[in-house]
Amino acid sequence: NAGVTQTPKFQVLKTGQSMTLQCAQDMNHEYMSWYRQDPGMGLRLIHYSVGAGITDQGEVPNGYNVSRSTTEDFPLRLLSAAPSQTSVYFCASRPRTNPYRTEAFFGQGTRLTVV
Amino acid sequence: DAKTTQPPSMDCAEGRAANLPCNHSTISGNEYVYWYRQIHSQGPQYIIHGLKNNETNEMASLIITEDRKSSTLILPHATLRDTAVYYCIAAFAGGTSYGKLTFGQGTILTVHP
Repeated sequence: NAGVTQTPKFQVLKTGQSMTLQCAQDMNHEYMSWYRQDPGMGLRLIHYSVGAGITDQGEVPNGYNVSRSTTEDFPLRLLSAAPSQTSVYFCASRPRTNPYRTEAFFGQGTRLTVV
Repeated sequence: DAKTTQPPSMDCAEGRAANLPCNHSTISGNEYVYWYRQIHSQGPQYIIHGLKNNETNEMASLIITEDRKSSTLILPHATLRDTAVYYCIAAFAGGTSYGKLTFGQGTILTVHP
């Protein structure tokens, strides 16, 4: 009964370092997405995927890369971390079928600090 | 996706009904209204959604006006654990936009003892 699992929960990076935030879901959902949430703000969409091998940009994609090689995993890569990327990152998944059950499931977040 | 407007904050006494309004005057015919909440910076949690009919589940009720330009989320008997940020979102449930949710600032609901 894992749902959406994000790792790590906390991370501190130095400016210029790269890293990958992991997201895995065990519900066989086709749709997955990454959001960031800055203090006092709502969530903003970074990248999303409608299935394995298919990704697209959201509202704030600069500085991030994604790939979707399997249905289960949707990693988010920070190419060269900047202090402006200090944020809480949420991964979400959602089933494609059945429009009457279109809720999204969110992970518990990764709190990233770039110094 | 249609833009939604919510009051920034609301208060409610424990045990009373909390009625959270949302304006979505530019909503299109195939956009659903979704409600999520976020407690203590945890991941958002789905509450309820609807298209044009009123909906009820174990958590809440959703009342959508006949012209679909506004809606109200009702928590019938608010508890302290309902203190959270509540987000109202208008979004398509299909096509290539499916899976994308546009979050605004939401309404901070504070439930008082």
